[in-house]
Amino acid sequence: SQQGEEDPQALSIQEGENATMNCSYKTSINNLQWYRQNSGRGLVHLILIRSNEREKHSGRLRVTLDTSKKSSSLLITASRAADTASYFCATNTGNQFYFGTGTSLTVIP
Amino acid sequence: EPEVTQTPSHQVTQMGQEVILRCVPISNHLYFYWYRQILGQKVEFLVSFYNNEISEKSEIFDDQFSVERPDGSNFTLKIRSTKLEDSAMYFCASSEAFGFNEKLFFGSGTQLSVL
Repeated sequence: SQQGEEDPQALSIQEGENATMNCSYKTSINNLQWYRQNSGRGLVHLILIRSNEREKHSGRLRVTLDTSKKSSSLLITASRAADTASYFCATNTGNQFYFGTGTSLTVIP
Repeated sequence: EPEVTQTPSHQVTQMGQEVILRCVPISNHLYFYWYRQILGQKVEFLVSFYNNEISEKSEIFDDQFSVERPDGSNFTLKIRSTKLEDSAMYFCASSEAFGFNEKLFFGSGTQLSVL
């Protein structure tokens, strides 16, 4: 299976702290993307990192990609209560995007 | 900002009945997808669609499922004879193209409950 696996499954932090989520996958990819899902809603694209990139930033988001280890991490700095959501990594290859199982992040005000 | 719209937001049906889930992708997008998510679980790929035909489908997408683009705007998922295990949130998504930089735009989903 190409699907990614996020780690941890759940994460609870205090507002202002940083949150780090990890994703591992199994085969070669074109790119890896992170999506956010608020409860009961659709997924929203956050950031994309190509297979030839190692790090990317967007606002308070920092994504790293290690293709040799087939892993990625998403760092959210200075977390806010509004960051509470589930975060999914998605690998892009062929005609599919494969999603992981997600990390449920709770940011406590 | 353009968005993917899905109707209905909730659908309740009896086991064995047929349901049609509807989606209006973003107008200039060419690739369309259906995913499903059983409560609290992973987002599972069902099917991708391009140029009026299925590009790829998963093992989940068996003969009870079909997709159609009946006109220039709608993209539908039909489940012919629903089973209890079909209860899930179904998401439609679209992308402008398929390539190195493409991302998916998701609708808000249809919650299907099979009784």
